[in-house]
Amino acid sequence: GAGVSQSPRYKVAKRGQDVALRCDPISGHVSLFWYQQALGQGPEFLTYFQNEAQLDKSGLPSDRFFAERPEGSVSTLKIQRTQQEDSAVYLCASSLGGQGSSETQYFGPGTRLLVL
Amino acid sequence: QKEVEQNSGPLSVPEGAIASLNCTYSDRGSQSFFWYRQYSGKSPELIMFIYSNGDKEDGRFTAQLNKASQYVSLLIRDSQPSDSATYLCAVNMNPGTASKLTFGTGTRLQVTL
Repeated sequence: GAGVSQSPRYKVAKRGQDVALRCDPISGHVSLFWYQQALGQGPEFLTYFQNEAQLDKSGLPSDRFFAERPEGSVSTLKIQRTQQEDSAVYLCASSLGGQGSSETQYFGPGTRLLVL
Repeated sequence: QKEVEQNSGPLSVPEGAIASLNCTYSDRGSQSFFWYRQYSGKSPELIMFIYSNGDKEDGRFTAQLNKASQYVSLLIRDSQPSDSATYLCAVNMNPGTASKLTFGTGTRLQVTL
């Protein structure tokens, strides 16, 4: 595709419900990142994949958050037993290669999650 | 102290003026610096990146980096109303590894007619 796509764009969940957020990176991009952006804040790193390997999950706020990328392309971020503090925009980004600190990340449109 | 700091603004400049957006970072080992623009309700869009001390120009945008002062800035010349957005400074603090970015809170820019 032309860019990073995410679905759903909006999700309303009741507290305690499980949600799954999907990210389709740019075709051929090896690296995939998830960020969480609260209102009025900058994005905060959650986790990173290189192909199917999850190399960094240091930003996941709790064990309720789980991410996977089983075939090295599409990724899913799952949040179990959602809490109101999980309400945020979840951004996915991808970049072309693996190692390399200078690579540009391209962001998807985000999923806006509201937990009631 | 936050790892990447920006003045939240709003920064208000008249149309045609130069807008100057500033960012400081805490980790001296940081190697890569990015400026993203984010319109309200939209995702971040890359404006520029800079790795070396000095200036880097791209059209109306100039990024400036001073590693000794741990300071990076973005200048927007001939500001237009369409430049009104939040500008996010992002830093890669882990040279030689995957490019996880640490963002500032962003500076909201308002270009007035």
